[in-house]
Amino acid sequence: QVQLAQSGAEVKKPGASMKVSCKASGYTFTGYYMNWVRQAPGQGLEWMGWINPNSGDTKYAQKFQGRVTMTRDTSISTAYMELNRLRSDDTAVYYCARLQVDRSGWGYLDFWGQGTLVTVSS
Amino acid sequence: QSVLTQPPSASGTPGQRVTISCSGSSSNIGSKTVNWYQQLPGTAPKLLIYSNNQRPSGVPDRFSGSKSGTSASLAISGLQSEDEAHYFCATWDDSLNGWVFGGGTKLTVL
Repeated sequence: QVQLAQSGAEVKKPGASMKVSCKASGYTFTGYYMNWVRQAPGQGLEWMGWINPNSGDTKYAQKFQGRVTMTRDTSISTAYMELNRLRSDDTAVYYCARLQVDRSGWGYLDFWGQGTLVTVSS
Repeated sequence: QSVLTQPPSASGTPGQRVTISCSGSSSNIGSKTVNWYQQLPGTAPKLLIYSNNQRPSGVPDRFSGSKSGTSASLAISGLQSEDEAHYFCATWDDSLNGWVFGGGTKLTVL
């Protein structure tokens, strides 16, 4: 069965960097784009970007351009999301989510990791 | 401010049918398919409906989705207490060039 296992909660100071991992199992890691979505406390969902695990190509939401880096290690089926220059409003639960594509070519995020809470506080 | 607009709350009694709306524009819902997610407290979102009206394996047929123009709806029939959760709509936006989500609707089963 498909599983996405994320790294544990972190506490960071403003200005620091964070790096969250997402280990995939139960499917061919390189066959599906991996997305990152975050959710601030009590708020909605916000898409951050994706990585093509096969090629390493990335696409970032404009809001995070220059501050986010998504990478992968295919040898251990793991995707990473690094966010720099953290601010208090980056406090959120960060999710990885697999992109599935239906027969007509339409996409949807079908499996999600359990989430990683990152708290940014001085 | 979310790109897709959902009512912040909805409610119903057990056995009732409730609908949750999701409004967008021509750059998102109007030209793309809509997906719906259920999020129970403290858990990750779970895919409920994809491609407007398709249910993943394991999702009860009490849940159904539809789309018309720049709006979409999620309907839950035979409401049960375990349906109490947040529901989010999502789609791709060509103008923003990324996935966009509704602000979420908290469903309360009275």
